[in-house]
Amino acid sequence: DGGITQSPKYLFRKEGQNVTLSCEQNLNHDAMYWYRQDPGQGLRLIYYSQIVNDFQKGDIAEGYSVSREKKESFPLTVTSAQKNPTAFYLCASSIDLTSGSWTGDTQYFGPGTRLTVL
Amino acid sequence: DQQVKQNSPSLSVQEGRISILNCDYTNSMFDYFLWYKKYPAEGPTFLISISSIKDKNEDGRFTVFLNKSAKHLSLHIVPSQPGDSAVYFCAASADTDKLIFGTGTRLQVFP
Repeated sequence: DGGITQSPKYLFRKEGQNVTLSCEQNLNHDAMYWYRQDPGQGLRLIYYSQIVNDFQKGDIAEGYSVSREKKESFPLTVTSAQKNPTAFYLCASSIDLTSGSWTGDTQYFGPGTRLTVL
Repeated sequence: DQQVKQNSPSLSVQEGRISILNCDYTNSMFDYFLWYKKYPAEGPTFLISISSIKDKNEDGRFTVFLNKSAKHLSLHIVPSQPGDSAVYFCAASADTDKLIFGTGTRLQVFP
C-alpha cells in the first residue's frame, strides 16, 4: 500500500537532547514537508523540500534541521536549541510543487509523532 | 499575520442537519483552497479542494463554496453524521507555493 509513515508515534526525550523524527513515503512524491501542531495554532510549516538534496525553511525553522538524501525520506531533527519542542509533528508529501497542476498542491499526511520533552 | 483564518474554534450540529464551516483569507494571490479533516492523534486527511476558477465543488455530502470577492470559503456537510466529528482545517496556496493553514474548527455532531 502507498502512503506516508512516521515513527515512532510517541517519543519522550530529556531536555537538552537532540531527537530525530522519521518520515518515509512510497508515493513517489517529489515534495515533502514538516509541520508542527500546537493547540489553537493550526499547522505551522517547519521545513519543506521540493527535490532531493534541497530544502527550504518554513515559518518556524529555528531549532530544527532536516536532510533530504533520498526522495522517499525526509527526517526532522529537533535540536536542543528548540525552546518548546513538545508538540505533535506531522509530515506530508505532495506530487510536485513546481508541476503547475492544482493537484500538485494537495498534501497527504502521515499519522504524526507526538514528542514530549521531559 | 494570519493569512488564513477560521474564526470559529468550534461548532456543534445535530445529526442529519447541515454543518457549515467557514474560512477567510487575506492574500488575493491564493488560487487553490483545500479542506482537511483531522481526528485526534492522527494526521489530517484531504477532504475536498477548489481552484479559484470555480465557485463551487461538490463531492458527495461535502460541498465547498468560494467567494473570491469576499475572500471567503465555506465547507458544507449535509447531512451531518456523528463520524464527521473532527477538527477541520482549511488551507490555501498561491501559484503552487506551500500551503498556509487556518487554525481549525472543531465540529461536533450530536445525535
